[in-house]
Amino acid sequence: KAGVTQTPRYLIKTRGQQVTLSCSPISGHRSVSWYQQTPGQGLQFLFEYFSETQRNKGNFPGRFSGRQFSNSRSEMNVSTLELGDSALYLCASGDGGSSGRELFFGEGSRLTVL
Amino acid sequence: AQSVAQPEDQVNVAEGNPLTVKCTYSVSGNPYLFWYVQYPNRGLQFLLKYITGDNLVKGSYGFEAEFNKSQTSFHLKKPSALVSDSALYFCAVRDHNNNDMRFGAGTRLTVKP
Repeated sequence: KAGVTQTPRYLIKTRGQQVTLSCSPISGHRSVSWYQQTPGQGLQFLFEYFSETQRNKGNFPGRFSGRQFSNSRSEMNVSTLELGDSALYLCASGDGGSSGRELFFGEGSRLTVL
Repeated sequence: AQSVAQPEDQVNVAEGNPLTVKCTYSVSGNPYLFWYVQYPNRGLQFLLKYITGDNLVKGSYGFEAEFNKSQTSFHLKKPSALVSDSALYFCAVRDHNNNDMRFGAGTRLTVKP
C-alpha cells in the first residue's frame, strides 16, 4: 500500500509570491491534515479536510488555505509569502473515523522563502 | 482545547541505559494519546498509542508508554537505548470529538555509544 505522497519536496520562493503544495493520502483514507513544522514552534496544526469539507482549523491567517478533491487528494496554498513562512509542511492521512486512529505522515514539503 | 507539554527539549542517555521521554497533556474528557518519532529530513512515524484499557502500552522498536490519568502524563520509555534511537520524539493528544491532533514541541533524544 502506497504511503502519503507530498509534492514538491523542496521549493524556494521569494516574499510576496504564492505557493501550492500537494498531498495524496493513503488509498481509502478520507481525512487529510496539514501541519507546519518550524524549529522554534514545533508542529502547528493548520487545517483538516474530511470528505472535501474543512472539519478543523488552526490559528493561522487567511493567507493559508486548503482544499480537498473528490479523490481525497488535498492542496494547501499560501499567498503573499513572508519570511516566517519558511518551514516544513507536513501532510497527514487518516481514515477520518474514530479519533483514536493514528495519522500517517508524508515526508513533507520544505519551503524556503527568501 | 487539547494541548501537550514535553518539558525537556533534549534528553541524553548512554547506549544500553533505560530512557524516558516525558509528556503531559490537557484535554476535555478521556484522551487519545500518541507518540511519534521523526528522523532527519523525514516525516513523522507512528510509535504507539493509548486508547483505553491497560495503562502500559507497547509499541514499535521496543518502546512502551505508561498512561497515568491522575498525573495526566504519558511518558515514553525503553528499557535499553540504542544509538539508532537518536531522533526527535513527539507526543500528541486528541479528544473523542474528532478534533485535531495536537502535538508537543518535541524532545530530541541523543543516545551516545
